[in-house]
Amino acid sequence: GDQVEQSPSALSLHEGTSSALRCNFTTTTRSVQWFRQNSRGSLINLFYLASGTKENGRLKSAFDSKELYSTLHIRDAQLEDSGTYFCAADPPSSGQKLVFGQGTILKVYL
Amino acid sequence: GGIITQTPKFLIGQEGQKLTLKCQQNFNHDTMYWYRQDSGKGLRLIYYSITENDLQKGDLSEGYDASREKKSSFSLTVTSAQKNEMAVFLCASSLTGGSAETLYFGSGTRLTVL
Repeated sequence: GDQVEQSPSALSLHEGTSSALRCNFTTTTRSVQWFRQNSRGSLINLFYLASGTKENGRLKSAFDSKELYSTLHIRDAQLEDSGTYFCAADPPSSGQKLVFGQGTILKVYL
Repeated sequence: GGIITQTPKFLIGQEGQKLTLKCQQNFNHDTMYWYRQDSGKGLRLIYYSITENDLQKGDLSEGYDASREKKSSFSLTVTSAQKNEMAVFLCASSLTGGSAETLYFGSGTRLTVL
């Protein structure tokens, strides 16, 4: 089965509102990375976490390795936040290879 | 900063055709990757390479070949395109290949097979 499950699969946010994306892991992972795929198709790295929380502007991510989940909070959503967000796990069983979730499509509207 | 360049951006092929996708990076990174992105399925690793002339199979290597001709370039070949196949192929690189390192991605090649 899938080792990384993202939710929701799609999300619409009114500009200025806030929400959270979630990544559940079915197996132990050493770390998590979050990416946003922009309109050109490139994935941009947002966060790398081995534990705890990190914050960058209106984005904040948390990783609980014991409870097997990670979250990405988006505060005061802006139009440019629209895109597809991926989390990627680093389970020991996969060697050095990241395992990606299926993505959350975020649309921010006026 | 560096950049990853994938060519072509769009590729249309016929069933059974052999198709090659190219990727160049100027980060001077050791490790390069090819991922396949299907709608609703996230990214799946096809091949990766930790240095020039090295090749490592990912989870989805069947039906593909790859070649790391030099440190800066990594090409992927679809050995026999499948009819109605549609996917985006993403190339990425990282400094040495450690799972804690940031991956840098290209903009992708969108494949359509008629």
